[in-house]
Amino acid sequence: AQSVTQLDSQVPVFEEAPVELRCNYSSSVSVYLFWYVQYPNQGLQLLLKYLSGSTLVKGINGFEAEFNKSQTSFHLRKPSVHISDTAEYFCAVSAISGSARQLTFGSGTQLTVLP
Amino acid sequence: EAGVVQSPRYKIIEKKQPVAFWCNPISGHNTLYWYLQNLGQGPELLIRYENEEAVDDSQLPKDRFSAERLKGVDSTLKIQPAELGDSAVYLCASSFGQTAGANVLTFGAGSRLTVL
Repeated sequence: AQSVTQLDSQVPVFEEAPVELRCNYSSSVSVYLFWYVQYPNQGLQLLLKYLSGSTLVKGINGFEAEFNKSQTSFHLRKPSVHISDTAEYFCAVSAISGSARQLTFGSGTQLTVLP
Repeated sequence: EAGVVQSPRYKIIEKKQPVAFWCNPISGHNTLYWYLQNLGQGPELLIRYENEEAVDDSQLPKDRFSAERLKGVDSTLKIQPAELGDSAVYLCASSFGQTAGANVLTFGAGSRLTVL
C-alpha cells in the first residue's frame, strides 16, 4: 500500500513571493505522482504529474514539482504566487503495477496568498 | 466538453433517512470513481468501476452504502440509513484508459451531505 504525507496543513504567503508545498510518500513499489488543486466549492483538477523521465515536471499556472526518489519526495513550487493561487493542494500517488493502483491522496495543504 | 456532473450539490437530511447521489461522467470515460472527502482531509476511494463492473469496492461500507453503474455510464451512490458521521463531500471522478495508475482523473464539483 502507498501513503502520502503533506507536511504543512496551512501555508500563508505574500503575493509575488515564492512558495514550496512539501509532499513525501511511502511505497514498496514504483509509483506515479500527482498534484491536484481544489478551489473553493469546486472539484479537484490536475496541476501536474510525474510518470517517468525528467524528474522536474512543469504544470499549469506556473507550478513545477521535482521527484526525488532517494528522499521519496515530490515537492511543489512556484517562484511567484498570485492571489488567485489561493486553494487547497493535494499530493497523490498510485502504484505503477499490481492490484493497488488506486490514487491515494495526502490530507492537503491550504495555500493562502496574502495581498 | 462537459465535465463530470454531480447532483445534488447540497443535501441536508436527518439521520436514519436515505440519500442518493448521481454522477454523469465525461463521455467515453470507462472508469468511474466515488470518493469520500471529510472536512480537512484528502479524498478517500469508496468504489471504482471499469465500465459497469465494480473492480475495487473494498473501502465501501456495504452495510449502509451501495452503488451501481448501469450500462457503464451514469452512476448512483446510495446511503441507507444515513448516520451523523456520513456528513462529508462525495466526489465523483472519471478517467479513460486501462493504465489505471497513470490515468488522470477528472472530478466533479461534489455533493455535500449534512446529516442532522
